[in-house]
Amino acid sequence: QLQLQESGPGLVKPSETLSLTCTVSGDSISSNYYYWGWIRQPPGRGLDWIGSIYHSGSTYYNPSVRSRVTISVDTSNNQFSLRLSSVTAADTAMYYCARVNYYDSRGYYHDHWGLGTLVTVSS
Amino acid sequence: QSVLTQPPSVSGAPGQRVTISCTGSSSNIGADYDVHWYQQLPGTAPKLLIYKNNNRPSGVPDRFSGSKSGTSASLAITGLQTEDEADYFCQSYDNSLTVGVFGGGTKLTVL
Repeated sequence: QLQLQESGPGLVKPSETLSLTCTVSGDSISSNYYYWGWIRQPPGRGLDWIGSIYHSGSTYYNPSVRSRVTISVDTSNNQFSLRLSSVTAADTAMYYCARVNYYDSRGYYHDHWGLGTLVTVSS
Repeated sequence: QSVLTQPPSVSGAPGQRVTISCTGSSSNIGADYDVHWYQQLPGTAPKLLIYKNNNRPSGVPDRFSGSKSGTSASLAITGLQTEDEADYFCQSYDNSLTVGVFGGGTKLTVL
């Protein structure tokens, strides 16, 4: 049974870097056909797609955060990570990791999600 | 302001049928990108409900169905149950923004 678990600091100071890790169990992160992604949800608001990565290291990023975001993969530990630099209060959100099914040119969907971790940006 | 527009809220009595709309444009749903739906129960993570417009993952009751036409899509829920109270989000891809996009979400209340 596939499970994803986010981990990382719950509090980050403004202008610093947010770092989260997603540990995958029940499936290999090196599986073909699947990417691994990050989505966030500010309190009381909707979902924002941040980006995704393939086990080869190929990435897609949301243009709105591309200058500040890095997603990396650690296949030996079946993990992938998110780094978001120069954070502000606007980056306060629940952060979810998810498995991404890029099935063909008509799009992709997130078929398994982690429980999420709340990150607050505050001094 | 979300790229995909959903009504903020819908409601219905137990046993009734409700629909939730998701309106896009020619750069996303209208460009023949598929629509997917997620259910987020209170205090939990989103869960895939419908994929590729009208397909249900294993374990999702057939009370939930999806459709797509033109620049819009819809989620229908029949035989409403109290446990269906949740937020529902649509998702597609936008080739102008070159990014996956979500609707703003619809809160379903079962009266």
